[in-house]
Amino acid sequence: GENVEQHPSTLSVQEGDSAVIKCTYSDSASNYFPWYKQELGKGPQLIIDIRSNVGEKKDQRIAVTLNKTAKHFSLHITETQPEDSAVYFCAARGGSQGNLIFGKGTKLSVKP
Amino acid sequence: EAQVTQNPRYLITVTGKKLTVTCSQNMNHEYMSWYRQDPGLGLRQIYYSMNVEVTDKGDVPEGYKVSRKEKRNFPLILESPSPNQTSLYFCASSSYSPGETQYFGPGTRLLVL
Repeated sequence: GENVEQHPSTLSVQEGDSAVIKCTYSDSASNYFPWYKQELGKGPQLIIDIRSNVGEKKDQRIAVTLNKTAKHFSLHITETQPEDSAVYFCAARGGSQGNLIFGKGTKLSVKP
Repeated sequence: EAQVTQNPRYLITVTGKKLTVTCSQNMNHEYMSWYRQDPGLGLRQIYYSMNVEVTDKGDVPEGYKVSRKEKRNFPLILESPSPNQTSLYFCASSSYSPGETQYFGPGTRLLVL
């Protein structure tokens, strides 16, 4: 089945810097890769996603890139702000079963 | 407002005392799922349901039961809770297929003594 590895587990940046979180997946048939943000005391919320027929997608300060050959995808946050501090999860949809498989999460801290 | 609700939000119980965590969504979603979140382990799927009366095991189903008698509700049942089921539980729903955007509930924090 699908396996998703996420790095780093913790990330601390200064306000205004960029943050990058990377994930790798194992199932070459996976075709959907969402990113979720979980704020303290809340459930995860989708912030951006990408499908396997696209290499990059942007939404304001957030971008996701996908390298199907290498089976990895990354979340890029530019001009980070304190409100970006949260736990971020990547996920991949396994090709055969179809359920989302999540990475273990990255705790991002943005220091003012 | 489109949302997934869970009750209770916090629960302390003792080993072996049956409990149910309710989940309800108002978006007419076919797909619903339960996850548990543990430090360092991320989100792991317990059970999921593709539609009414259709349920299936996820990655960590041992010790849990679910039912899907109505489209909007997907309760999680712990028949005989044990301390290793102490965790943060999330219900989620999506339309059509599990690969579409999943909407998560606010979570239920469970402590089993």
